[in-house]
Amino acid sequence: DTGVSQDPRHKITKRGQNVTFRCDPISEHNRLYWYRQTLGQGPEFLTYFQNEAQLEKSRLLSDRFSAERPKGSFSTLEIQRTEQGDSAMYLCASSQGASVGSGNTIYFGEGSWLTVV
Amino acid sequence: AQTVTQSQPEMSVQEAETVTLSCTYDTSESNYYLFWYKQPPSRQMILVIRQEAYKQQNATENRFSVNFQKAAKSFSLKISDSQLGDTAMYFCAFAHTGKLIFGQGTTLQVKP
Repeated sequence: DTGVSQDPRHKITKRGQNVTFRCDPISEHNRLYWYRQTLGQGPEFLTYFQNEAQLEKSRLLSDRFSAERPKGSFSTLEIQRTEQGDSAMYLCASSQGASVGSGNTIYFGEGSWLTVV
Repeated sequence: AQTVTQSQPEMSVQEAETVTLSCTYDTSESNYYLFWYKQPPSRQMILVIRQEAYKQQNATENRFSVNFQKAAKSFSLKISDSQLGDTAMYFCAFAHTGKLIFGQGTTLQVKP
């Protein structure tokens, strides 16, 4: 069990550029989540996948954001035409089983810091 | 919609003493899970303890215990014998289906 892995850990980009983050969940975890966290705040839910199916998207996920999990393993989160308000840490997490509402533990990665200048 | 509120932005405690972090939530659901997560300065979120709503017995994990008051929709975390390594941001979270909903967090500083 190598834990949830995220790449890159830090990204500085100019406003208007596109960025992509990758998440590798814990092996055999079928659920994968993306959250956004700003300094001093709690994580905000963005989206989650059950295997390759994207089951829910938050209103926070504007049309500039897209997430994929093509083979039900790793996932990517792309932000197009970045804005300064996108500066945040993007957390990936995974869990095994049907639902965190069943008590399954969600394991988090260390996050990917995005700074838009 | 479910919401989670942590009304204490910052707290401090002396090493070896006990501290209680507060959390309230709002839901119309009858069965759900509640969690406390810890986020140290290294930033990786770690599960501290969880409680299933239909279990009346409060959960305990070593020095960490909860006081779950379902009717009051309250879920506080007690840390006994505080250690310097407990310094972190603590998040209360709610789950019914699909995802965790987090509170704003409480920054806990353990002082030597």
